[in-house]
Amino acid sequence: QKEVEQNSGPLSVPEGAIASLNCTYSDRGSQSFFWYRQYSGKSPELIMSIYSNGDKEDGRFTAQLNKASQYVSLLIRDSQPSDSATYLCAVRNFGNEKLTFGTGTRLTIIP
Amino acid sequence: DAGVIQSPRHEVTEMGQEVTLRCKPISGHDYLFWYRQTMMRGLELLIYFNNNVPIDDSGMPEDRFSAKMPNASFSTLKIQPSEPRDSAVYFCASSSEWASYEQYFGPGTRLTVT
Repeated sequence: QKEVEQNSGPLSVPEGAIASLNCTYSDRGSQSFFWYRQYSGKSPELIMSIYSNGDKEDGRFTAQLNKASQYVSLLIRDSQPSDSATYLCAVRNFGNEKLTFGTGTRLTIIP
Repeated sequence: DAGVIQSPRHEVTEMGQEVTLRCKPISGHDYLFWYRQTMMRGLELLIYFNNNVPIDDSGMPEDRFSAKMPNASFSTLKIQPSEPRDSAVYFCASSSEWASYEQYFGPGTRLTVT
């Protein structure tokens, strides 16, 4: 079992709809969770971080964390074509400074 | 505030040549990470440093790869000799405990070995 798992997609969502990206992790000691956006040919860009159970909202983005079920999700409201990118989930385990990345989900917003 | 800086942005070299990639972390960050990204293997951690000291180099693929961090504002990743299978995008990232270990990536170096 991979430590951090994401559906590779592609995930296609109509413009204006809600895009939902999911990530599961295997280590119950995980304590920090991050979402990165990577446009084709560019570097990963941190867009959300979440550390406690529940929801965290930032503009059109909402990160949701459920430690009991070991999943973290990213919701993008009012999806725009500019949201088309690969989204990487990353997890930091307790006592560890490095991040474990998922393989990413490719999201396409259809105009 | 300047982000992570990498150079060169693109490197094309012939098999057998030495390649040196450079990175300047965000000022004040005490962790520096080197990653490699390919379509086949995704994002792989090669090595990381804390306060200029290598902490984990288990991701370095073989002895042809070496990395140094002579001071807090500069790191190099060297490949000698280079091989076509080393072709990838190499990213440098930095973080700090006071910033909750959030990692910020540089623009990357696209390496092509022919």
